[in-house]
Amino acid sequence: IAGITQAPTSQILAAGRRMTLRCTQDMRHNAMYWYRQDLGLGLRLIHYSNTAGTTGKGEVPDGYSVSRANTDDFPLTLASAVPSQTSVYFCASSGGSSYNEQFFGPGTRLTVL
Amino acid sequence: GQQVMQIPQYQHVQEGEDFTTYCNSSTTLSNIQWYKQRPGGHPVFLIQLVKSGEVKKQKRLTFQFGEAKKNSSLHITATQTTDVGTYFCAGERGDYKLSFGAGTTVTVRA
Repeated sequence: IAGITQAPTSQILAAGRRMTLRCTQDMRHNAMYWYRQDLGLGLRLIHYSNTAGTTGKGEVPDGYSVSRANTDDFPLTLASAVPSQTSVYFCASSGGSSYNEQFFGPGTRLTVL
Repeated sequence: GQQVMQIPQYQHVQEGEDFTTYCNSSTTLSNIQWYKQRPGGHPVFLIQLVKSGEVKKQKRLTFQFGEAKKNSSLHITATQTTDVGTYFCAGERGDYKLSFGAGTTVTVRA
């Protein structure tokens, strides 16, 4: 693989179900991020990780959790999905310094019914 | 709430015309980045501005960072159909996290 990948591409989920969105990068980037994109609201940061073993809360963390067991993987878990979590989710990574661009994955379109 | 405001939300442009999208932050930024997202795609980095008053050009795109490092603009001249998409500004306040504007979605009339 080259760059950053996400799985699944899309998913329809019943409310109350647990779901994990996967994100893997092969660029050895220290920092990784999860965003959700909703019409008219742009990209909002859910959680981030500056380096393996550490995570932090972003702007809209409620209902989501993350882990960073190694450099490459940064899964996002919805413990009990609700319809308001219907969105497009993007994972991104960067070299970790303040002035590095972020590289985005192709996104996961999630619908919670 | 969103700390980086971006206007306009939509821009309908005649091919060949110019347009500008503006970005304003409520706080001083350490740097500002611009991204472009094509329809159905993911955001792709365009440029980063770091210095107060900085101006950078990429072909028909001109990016500016305000003197107070609180605002920025993207000006596109002679719009082409390849310019279609959503342009996001994203401000960084020195904590390695970006705060994205809501984006300007550009459509082009041929």
